[in-house]
Amino acid sequence: GDSVTQMEGPVTLSEEAFLTINCTYTATGYPSLFWYVQYPGEGLQLLLKATKADDKGSNKGFEATYRKETTSFHLEKGSVQVSDSAVYFCALSQTSGDMRFGAGTRLTVKP
Amino acid sequence: KAGVTQTPRYLIKTRGQQVTLSCSPISGHRSVSWYQQTPGQGLQFLFEYFSETQRNKGNFPGRFSGRQFSNSRSEMNVSTLELGDSALYLCASSFLQGDTEAFFGQGTRLTVV
Repeated sequence: GDSVTQMEGPVTLSEEAFLTINCTYTATGYPSLFWYVQYPGEGLQLLLKATKADDKGSNKGFEATYRKETTSFHLEKGSVQVSDSAVYFCALSQTSGDMRFGAGTRLTVKP
Repeated sequence: KAGVTQTPRYLIKTRGQQVTLSCSPISGHRSVSWYQQTPGQGLQFLFEYFSETQRNKGNFPGRFSGRQFSNSRSEMNVSTLELGDSALYLCASSFLQGDTEAFFGQGTRLTVV
């Protein structure tokens, strides 16, 4: 079945460092890909999405490009802030009701 | 406009009891999905409802059930609670079934003792 594998955490960075969180997927067909962020005690917030190959999703300085040839959707940010500390989930969906998530990567950004 | 609302936010129950959780989707959204989040298993799909009908179901025992009302609000029920049911239960809403984008509520934290 469809699945998502993302980089194990935790990841600790200094403020203004470059961030990459790797995500690869296995799926039949052409899924939509997502990054969600979860802050402590909260639900999931959609960070960005891409619905077809070569699409680039972007939001709040974060970017990810849908690479069908490498089945990847890596999350990047050029300069992280302390407020970016959270857990990040890569996900895929072929229909809205059955979204498959990666295990999550905890990011801590130190001042 | 208001987001997805889940109630209650926190719940403590005893083994063997049953529990009902509620989810009000974003106004105009008609599809509601439920997920269980645990440290060991991560996020797992429970079921999806659209137009008061269950459209899709994950791999959970029959103790987990749900329903959707005509106003798109949804409830999920867990009977005969087990310690392993302790989790964060997340509800997500979408405009239509087949929309790939989902908006999540803050979740209900269930603790079974």
